Amino acid sequence: EVQLVESGGGLIQSGGSLRLSCVASGFTFSNYAMNWVRQAPGRGPEWVSYIGSGSLASHYAGSLGGRFTISRDNAKNSLYLQMNNVRDDDTGLYYCVRETIGTNGYDVWGRGTMVTVSS
Amino acid sequence: QSVLTQPPSVSGAPGQGVTISCTGGRSNIGADYDVHWYQQVPGDAPKLLIYGNTNRPSGVSDRFSASKSGTSASLAITGLLPEDEADYYCQSFDSNLSGSVFGGGTKLTVL
Repeated sequence: EVQLVESGGGLIQSGGSLRLSCVASGFTFSNYAMNWVRQAPGRGPEWVSYIGSGSLASHYAGSLGGRFTISRDNAKNSLYLQMNNVRDDDTGLYYCVRETIGTNGYDVWGRGTMVTVSS
Repeated sequence: QSVLTQPPSVSGAPGQGVTISCTGGRSNIGADYDVHWYQQVPGDAPKLLIYGNTNRPSGVSDRFSASKSGTSASLAITGLLPEDEADYYCQSFDSNLSGSVFGGGTKLTVL
C-alpha cells in the first residue's frame, strides 16, 4: 500500500524550531518529487515547499521568508521539513505530499502532523 | 485572498449536477499550467480528483469531469450523491510566485 506517514508536530512557542519528518512506503520514493503542504484550521491548503527526486532542486513559498528548509534521504525513504523561527501563522496541519510524475498535481497525501505555535 | 478564485459554496439536489469554477490569471492557468482538483471531506486529507486539467486517477468516478479554457477551469459533478458533500479545491502553478497555488475552496452541499 502506498503510504506517507508524518511525525514531529506539536506545540511550540513562537520563535522556536521544529523538524517534521515523513516516511514513505509502498512506492519507489527516489523516483518522485515531494512537497509539504499545510492547512490552517478552517482554511484551504497552502503549498509550503518542493524538493526534486534527487534533491537537486528545492523551492519555497515566498511567505516563509527563508525560515524553512526541506530535505530528503532517499536511502531512508524520508522527507523532512526544518522549521525555524516559527510564527503564529505557521499553525496548521502539515501534509507530506507526493507529486504526480509529469505534472505538479499531488496524488498521495499523508494524514498530516499538527503544528501549533503559541505566543 | 487566493490567487485562484472559487465560489465559496454551491449546492444541488441528489441526482442533479453542479459546476465549480476556478478563475486565475496570465501567470497561472492562463500561462498554460495544468490545473488539478481535490476533494476534501472534513477530517480527511485532500484527495486528488482530477490531474492535468482533465484526467481522472484510477478509482475516481466518471461523474467527475473537468475542463480548462483561457484563464479559468471548471469541475463538473453529475448525478450528485450525498457522499459528494465536501470541500473542493483547484490547484495550479504560478510563475510569478514560483510555486503551486490553491483556490480558496468551494463547499458543496447536497440538499
